Amino acid sequence: GAVVSQHPSWVICKSGTSVKIECRSLDFQATTMFWYRQFPKQSLMLMATSNEGSKATYEQGVEKDKFLINHASLTLSTLTVTSAHPEDSSFYICSAGLHSINYGYTFGSGTRLTVV
Amino acid sequence: AQSVSQHNHHVILSEAASLELGCNYSYGGTVNLFWYVQYPGQHLQLLLKYFSGDPLVKGIKGFEAEFIKSKFSFNLRKPSVQWSDTAEYFCAVLSGGYNKLIFGAGTRLAVHP
Repeated sequence: GAVVSQHPSWVICKSGTSVKIECRSLDFQATTMFWYRQFPKQSLMLMATSNEGSKATYEQGVEKDKFLINHASLTLSTLTVTSAHPEDSSFYICSAGLHSINYGYTFGSGTRLTVV
Repeated sequence: AQSVSQHNHHVILSEAASLELGCNYSYGGTVNLFWYVQYPGQHLQLLLKYFSGDPLVKGIKGFEAEFIKSKFSFNLRKPSVQWSDTAEYFCAVLSGGYNKLIFGAGTRLAVHP
Protein backbone atom coordinates (compact mmCIF):
# COMPACT_ATOMS: atom_id res chain seq x y z
CA GLY A 1 0.00 0.00 0.00
CA ALA A 2 0.85 3.72 0.05
CA VAL A 3 2.02 4.07 -3.52
CA VAL A 4 2.78 7.44 -5.05
CA SER A 5 2.92 7.74 -8.80
CA GLN A 6 4.74 10.61 -10.47
CA HIS A 7 4.46 11.51 -14.14
CA PRO A 8 6.30 12.08 -16.36
CA SER A 9 9.52 10.42 -15.32
CA TRP A 10 11.52 12.67 -17.58
CA VAL A 11 10.82 15.64 -19.79
CA ILE A 12 12.80 17.90 -22.07
CA CYS A 13 11.42 21.31 -22.88
CA LYS A 14 12.52 24.53 -24.53
CA SER A 15 13.34 27.67 -22.58
CA GLY A 16 10.30 29.79 -22.00
CA THR A 17 7.78 26.97 -22.05
CA SER A 18 5.91 25.53 -19.08
CA VAL A 19 5.98 21.97 -17.82
CA LYS A 20 3.45 20.24 -15.60
CA ILE A 21 4.40 17.35 -13.31
CA GLU A 22 1.73 15.18 -11.70
CA CYS A 23 1.86 13.39 -8.38
CA ARG A 24 -0.85 10.90 -7.54
CA SER A 25 -1.50 8.84 -4.44
CA LEU A 26 -2.79 5.57 -5.86
CA ASP A 27 -4.26 3.71 -2.92
CA PHE A 28 -4.75 6.33 -0.26
CA GLN A 29 -5.93 9.88 0.16
CA ALA A 30 -3.29 12.48 0.79
CA THR A 31 -4.37 15.76 2.30
CA THR A 32 -0.77 16.89 2.14
CA MET A 33 1.86 16.33 -0.48
CA PHE A 34 5.37 17.66 -0.63
CA TRP A 35 7.49 18.75 -3.56
CA TYR A 36 11.26 18.43 -3.43
CA ARG A 37 14.05 19.36 -5.77
CA GLN A 38 17.24 17.33 -5.93
CA PHE A 39 20.35 18.65 -7.61
CA PRO A 40 22.95 16.17 -8.87
CA LYS A 41 24.79 14.50 -6.01
CA GLN A 42 22.96 16.65 -3.49
CA SER A 43 20.19 16.19 -1.01
CA LEU A 44 16.51 16.82 -1.41
CA MET A 45 15.45 20.39 -0.86
CA LEU A 46 11.87 20.93 0.17
CA MET A 47 10.23 23.38 -2.20
CA ALA A 48 6.67 23.51 -0.95
CA THR A 49 3.92 21.79 0.94
CA SER A 50 0.82 21.17 -1.10
CA ASN A 51 -2.46 21.24 0.82
CA GLU A 52 -5.65 19.87 -0.66
CA GLY A 53 -8.17 22.60 -1.28
CA SER A 54 -5.94 25.46 -0.22
CA LYS A 55 -2.85 27.33 -1.26
CA ALA A 56 0.52 25.69 -1.12
CA THR A 57 3.06 26.72 1.47
CA TYR A 58 6.38 27.59 -0.12
CA GLU A 59 9.79 27.38 1.49
CA GLN A 60 11.90 30.47 1.73
CA GLY A 61 13.58 31.31 -1.52
CA VAL A 62 11.20 29.35 -3.73
CA GLU A 63 9.38 31.50 -6.28
CA LYS A 64 5.65 30.98 -6.05
CA ASP A 65 5.01 32.33 -9.53
CA LYS A 66 7.70 30.14 -11.04
CA PHE A 67 6.60 26.89 -9.41
CA LEU A 68 2.81 26.71 -9.41
CA ILE A 69 1.30 24.03 -7.22
CA ASN A 70 -2.28 22.84 -7.40
CA HIS A 71 -3.78 20.22 -5.10
CA ALA A 72 -7.30 19.97 -6.39
CA SER A 73 -8.16 16.54 -5.03
CA LEU A 74 -7.09 14.18 -2.29
CA THR A 75 -5.15 12.07 -4.76
CA LEU A 76 -3.55 14.56 -7.12
CA SER A 77 -1.09 17.40 -6.79
CA THR A 78 0.55 19.11 -9.73
CA LEU A 79 3.69 21.19 -10.02
CA THR A 80 3.96 23.49 -13.01
CA VAL A 81 7.33 25.00 -13.82
CA THR A 82 6.43 28.18 -15.67
CA SER A 83 8.63 29.90 -18.22
CA ALA A 84 11.31 27.32 -17.66
CA HIS A 85 14.99 28.20 -17.94
CA PRO A 86 18.05 25.94 -18.08
CA GLU A 87 18.73 26.61 -14.39
CA ASP A 88 15.39 24.96 -13.60
CA SER A 89 16.78 21.69 -14.90
CA SER A 90 16.72 19.32 -11.97
CA PHE A 91 15.16 16.23 -10.48
CA TYR A 92 11.76 16.94 -8.92
CA ILE A 93 10.30 14.52 -6.41
CA CYS A 94 6.94 14.47 -4.71
CA SER A 95 5.96 12.67 -1.56
CA ALA A 96 2.78 12.00 0.31
CA GLY A 97 1.80 10.39 3.55
CA LEU A 98 -1.19 8.89 5.15
CA HIS A 99 -3.00 11.09 7.61
CA SER A 100 -0.93 9.78 10.44
CA ILE A 101 2.78 10.35 10.19
CA ASN A 102 3.27 7.01 11.86
CA TYR A 103 2.85 5.46 8.47
CA GLY A 104 5.74 7.48 7.11
CA TYR A 105 5.96 9.18 3.78
CA THR A 106 6.10 7.57 0.38
CA PHE A 107 8.02 9.12 -2.45
CA GLY A 108 7.32 9.25 -6.12
CA SER A 109 9.91 8.04 -8.59
CA GLY A 110 10.82 11.58 -9.54
CA THR A 111 10.80 13.65 -12.71
CA ARG A 112 13.98 14.66 -14.43
CA LEU A 113 13.45 18.00 -16.12
CA THR A 114 15.90 19.24 -18.72
CA VAL A 115 15.39 22.70 -20.14
CA VAL A 116 17.25 23.40 -23.36
CA ALA B 1 15.17 25.77 12.20
CA GLN B 2 15.85 22.10 12.38
CA SER B 3 18.75 20.72 10.42
CA VAL B 4 20.37 17.39 9.76
CA SER B 5 24.06 16.73 9.27
CA GLN B 6 25.55 13.72 7.58
CA HIS B 7 29.29 13.93 7.88
CA ASN B 8 30.23 11.06 5.60
CA HIS B 9 29.59 12.09 2.02
CA HIS B 10 31.20 9.07 0.40
CA VAL B 11 31.88 5.69 1.92
CA ILE B 12 33.56 2.78 0.17
CA LEU B 13 33.46 -0.67 1.72
CA SER B 14 34.16 -4.22 0.79
CA GLU B 15 31.45 -6.83 1.06
CA ALA B 16 30.98 -8.21 4.58
CA ALA B 17 32.43 -5.08 6.18
CA SER B 18 30.44 -3.37 8.88
CA LEU B 19 28.75 -0.08 8.18
CA GLU B 20 28.01 2.93 10.32
CA LEU B 21 26.73 6.18 8.81
CA GLY B 22 26.58 9.22 11.00
CA CYS B 23 23.57 11.50 11.40
CA ASN B 24 23.20 14.41 13.76
CA TYR B 25 20.19 16.65 14.13
CA SER B 26 19.85 20.08 15.62
CA TYR B 27 16.49 20.07 17.40
CA GLY B 28 16.52 19.59 21.17
CA GLY B 29 12.91 18.62 21.71
CA THR B 30 10.89 15.60 20.69
CA VAL B 31 12.10 14.35 17.35
CA ASN B 32 10.93 11.93 14.72
CA LEU B 33 13.85 10.56 12.72
CA PHE B 34 14.09 8.59 9.50
CA TRP B 35 16.61 6.90 7.27
CA TYR B 36 15.82 6.62 3.59
CA VAL B 37 17.73 4.80 0.85
CA GLN B 38 17.87 5.67 -2.83
CA TYR B 39 19.19 2.90 -5.06
CA PRO B 40 20.59 3.97 -8.43
CA GLY B 41 17.76 5.04 -10.69
CA GLN B 42 15.09 4.37 -8.11
CA HIS B 43 12.94 6.40 -5.78
CA LEU B 44 13.49 6.95 -2.09
CA GLN B 45 12.52 4.08 0.16
CA LEU B 46 12.06 4.13 3.91
CA LEU B 47 14.62 2.01 5.77
CA LEU B 48 13.50 2.72 9.30
CA LYS B 49 12.04 5.37 11.54
CA TYR B 50 12.12 6.40 15.18
CA PHE B 51 9.27 8.09 17.02
CA SER B 52 9.62 6.98 20.62
CA GLY B 53 10.34 3.96 22.79
CA ASP B 54 13.28 1.66 22.24
CA PRO B 55 16.14 3.81 20.95
CA LEU B 56 17.49 0.91 18.91
CA VAL B 57 15.36 0.70 15.81
CA LYS B 58 15.35 -2.26 13.44
CA GLY B 59 14.65 -1.61 9.81
CA ILE B 60 14.45 -3.51 6.58
CA LYS B 61 17.32 -5.36 4.89
CA GLY B 62 19.25 -5.83 8.13
CA PHE B 63 19.70 -2.15 8.90
CA GLU B 64 19.33 -0.67 12.35
CA ALA B 65 19.78 2.76 13.89
CA GLU B 66 20.34 3.96 17.40
CA PHE B 67 18.83 7.15 18.74
CA ILE B 68 21.16 8.76 21.29
CA LYS B 69 19.44 11.83 22.64
CA SER B 70 22.46 13.12 24.54
CA LYS B 71 24.48 13.15 21.35
CA PHE B 72 21.68 14.34 19.06
CA SER B 73 22.55 11.39 16.87
CA PHE B 74 20.74 8.73 14.90
CA ASN B 75 23.45 6.64 13.26
CA LEU B 76 22.64 3.91 10.78
CA ARG B 77 24.37 0.55 11.09
CA LYS B 78 24.60 -2.76 9.34
CA PRO B 79 26.93 -5.52 10.56
CA SER B 80 27.76 -6.92 7.14
CA VAL B 81 27.12 -5.03 3.92
CA GLN B 82 26.41 -6.53 0.54
CA TRP B 83 27.13 -5.27 -2.95
CA SER B 84 23.39 -4.65 -3.31
CA ASP B 85 23.59 -2.06 -0.52
CA THR B 86 25.32 0.31 -2.92
CA ALA B 87 23.07 3.36 -2.82
CA GLU B 88 22.66 6.79 -1.37
CA TYR B 89 21.44 7.04 2.20
CA PHE B 90 19.57 10.02 3.60
CA CYS B 91 18.87 10.84 7.20
CA ALA B 92 15.80 13.00 7.81
CA VAL B 93 14.05 14.67 10.69
CA LEU B 94 10.41 15.61 10.86
CA SER B 95 10.03 19.32 11.35
CA GLY B 96 7.90 19.53 14.44
CA GLY B 97 4.40 20.79 13.92
CA TYR B 98 4.66 21.06 10.17
CA ASN B 99 5.01 17.44 9.09
CA LYS B 100 7.87 18.41 6.79
CA LEU B 101 10.81 16.13 6.30
CA ILE B 102 14.18 17.87 6.43
CA PHE B 103 16.91 15.84 4.77
CA GLY B 104 20.61 15.59 5.36
CA ALA B 105 23.02 15.92 2.45
CA GLY B 106 23.15 12.18 1.95
CA THR B 107 25.92 9.58 2.05
CA ARG B 108 26.87 7.74 -1.07
CA LEU B 109 27.85 4.16 -0.25
CA ALA B 110 29.76 1.99 -2.68
CA VAL B 111 30.25 -1.66 -1.78
CA HIS B 112 32.84 -3.59 -3.71
CA PRO B 113 32.50 -7.35 -4.16
